[in-house]
Amino acid sequence: NAGVMQNPRHLVRRRGQEARLRCSPMKGHSHVYWYRQLPEEGLKFMVYLQKENIIDESGMPKERFSAEFPKEGPSILRIQQVVRGDSAAYFCASSLLGSLSYEQYFGPGTRLTVT
Amino acid sequence: QQQVKQSPQSLIVQKGGISIINCAYENTAFDYFPWYQQFPGKGPALLIAIRPDVSEKKEGRFTISFNKSAKQFSLHIMDSQPGDSATYFCAAYSGSRLTFGEGTQLTVNP
Repeated sequence: NAGVMQNPRHLVRRRGQEARLRCSPMKGHSHVYWYRQLPEEGLKFMVYLQKENIIDESGMPKERFSAEFPKEGPSILRIQQVVRGDSAAYFCASSLLGSLSYEQYFGPGTRLTVT
Repeated sequence: QQQVKQSPQSLIVQKGGISIINCAYENTAFDYFPWYQQFPGKGPALLIAIRPDVSEKKEGRFTISFNKSAKQFSLHIMDSQPGDSATYFCAAYSGSRLTFGEGTQLTVNP
């Protein structure tokens, strides 16, 4: 029973480039969440998606960041024109529908380094 | 307020000892309180969780104590082992999102 999959595990981008992070939820899970973890800090909520819908993006920076969860394929977190402050670990989590949506299971993360 | 405060920031215990990590919250809308364990380079793993209508939950060596009136909850690790050395995060759930504490780096010495 595969867990949450994320790729790439490590991503190096130069300032101004685009970063695309992918997340495949656990089998049977239809809710996806993205969190960001800065060095020596806890995780901060970014966005909550269901298939083809953004439910809550209140934690996303207003500019350069976007997320999607298409009908087919993984969820994508996209960061345009990256800056050094975007360097962090980005974690995806997934959960089941409805009343069990509080049980969120995390992937291994993508560690983004902006040079 | 959507904050969860966690202490201590770091903790060193001897093998066989009890590790205690504390968290406090402000938002009474939180309705689920999980603890996550994270090893270096890995994602957080769900360890144990509690609902606010329960005062204590035990799973193996891990126990959550919950004080609703004080808006505090804590994780107790009994008979701590070197393999428990990791970063522990408390969290609180409301409205589909988890709000995390700042984390506690636990070191268990052999």
